[in-house]
Amino acid sequence: GEDVEQSLFLSVREGDSSVINCTYTDSSSTYLYWYKQEPGAGLQLLTYIFSNMDMKQDQRLTVLLNKKDKHLSLRIADTQTGDSAIYFCAERTGGKLIFGQGTELSVKP
Amino acid sequence: KAGVTQTPRYLIKTRGQQVTLSCSPISGHRSVSWYQQTPGQGLQFLFEYFSETQRNKGNFPGRFSGRQFSNSRSEMNVSTLELGDSALYLCASSLDSGEQFFGPGTRLTVL
Repeated sequence: GEDVEQSLFLSVREGDSSVINCTYTDSSSTYLYWYKQEPGAGLQLLTYIFSNMDMKQDQRLTVLLNKKDKHLSLRIADTQTGDSAIYFCAERTGGKLIFGQGTELSVKP
Repeated sequence: KAGVTQTPRYLIKTRGQQVTLSCSPISGHRSVSWYQQTPGQGLQFLFEYFSETQRNKGNFPGRFSGRQFSNSRSEMNVSTLELGDSALYLCASSLDSGEQFFGPGTRLTVL
């Protein structure tokens, strides 16, 4: 079946790195995504990775993909208070996105 | 380049009524997908349209329908509204695959 799992909460101190983890089940997923959602807002695309890649870096964001274990992670370097939000992992499969439950990131000054 | 726009942003309806939501994708994007977001069920896929044809459909009842016009703008309709239809409805646009950009959503409240 199609399922994406994430831990629900993560709390870090400002300036530290944050690592948000995600596992998925569909090995035929073509793309995997990370989205950010702030209160009352839509989903902001942070980054995405094609399934034949292991890693993608974009400024403070690093995505690691372990296809064997079906594990995806998002590392945010030098986390700021403005990074506080809910982060969703999603896999693209069968023409649709399957989302995790979201990880609420809390950044303490 | 303008992003995905959705109208209206907020809507209040009563049970039994019907509602139409609109989505304008990024210029040049031909794929439009719709998602429902609720606290209990999270983000769930409703349907995808590409070049005016429904290409994929999620597990929602027939009360939920959609269409896409020749200019790629899309509408979704919910008939005979139920309390459980209260949600944030999100539209996403893409060229075909890869990047999927979401709009700000329409917040629907059913009383």
